[in-house]
Amino acid sequence: QKEVEQDPGPLSVPEGAIVSLNCTYSNSAFQYFMWYRQYSRKGPELLMYTYSSGNKEDGRFTAQVDKSSKYISLFIRDSQPSDSATYLCAMRSSNTGKLIFGQGTTLQVKP
Amino acid sequence: DTGVSQNPRHKITKRGQNVTFRCDPISEHNRLYWYRQTLGQGPEFLTYFQNEAQLEKSRLLSDRFSAERPKGSFSTLEIQRTEQGDSAMYLCASSFLDRNTEAFFGQGTRLTVV
Repeated sequence: QKEVEQDPGPLSVPEGAIVSLNCTYSNSAFQYFMWYRQYSRKGPELLMYTYSSGNKEDGRFTAQVDKSSKYISLFIRDSQPSDSATYLCAMRSSNTGKLIFGQGTTLQVKP
Repeated sequence: DTGVSQNPRHKITKRGQNVTFRCDPISEHNRLYWYRQTLGQGPEFLTYFQNEAQLEKSRLLSDRFSAERPKGSFSTLEIQRTEQGDSAMYLCASSFLDRNTEAFFGQGTRLTVV
């Protein structure tokens, strides 16, 4: 079993829809949780960063962490065609810089 | 451009040849990471440096792989006697040690072993 599980999709939504992306994990030592966006043949771009449990909002993006359930989410409001990309969750514990990534979810937002 | 820079962007090599990639981190970032990503998968950790010290290595990093970060600035990743299974995107990232921030990635080096 992988430490971080993420549904690879693909996920296809119409423009303007609310998108929900999720990851589950098994290591209770994880304290830092990130979401990266990756366009085809490019490096991952940091979108959201959360420490421990709770919510964080940045524009159209909201990240949620539920450590009791070992479950994290990224919500995208008013999705745009430019949001079409692969979204990677990543996490780490406090004693290392090593990130453990999910497989990535491919999102397509149709005009 | 003040982001993480990786060179070359693409490399095609014959099986059995040695290849070396270079990563220039964001200025003043004291941590530097190498990851490998294959198609349809998330990045997998290979190794990371804090300044010039290599702090952690993955079991994925066989003895054909070696990474260095002389003087705590740029880093190189060398693969000796390349195999077709080494074909992947090699990603470099950097971060601050003392701040509660996360890693920023370069555009990667895409390696194809033929």
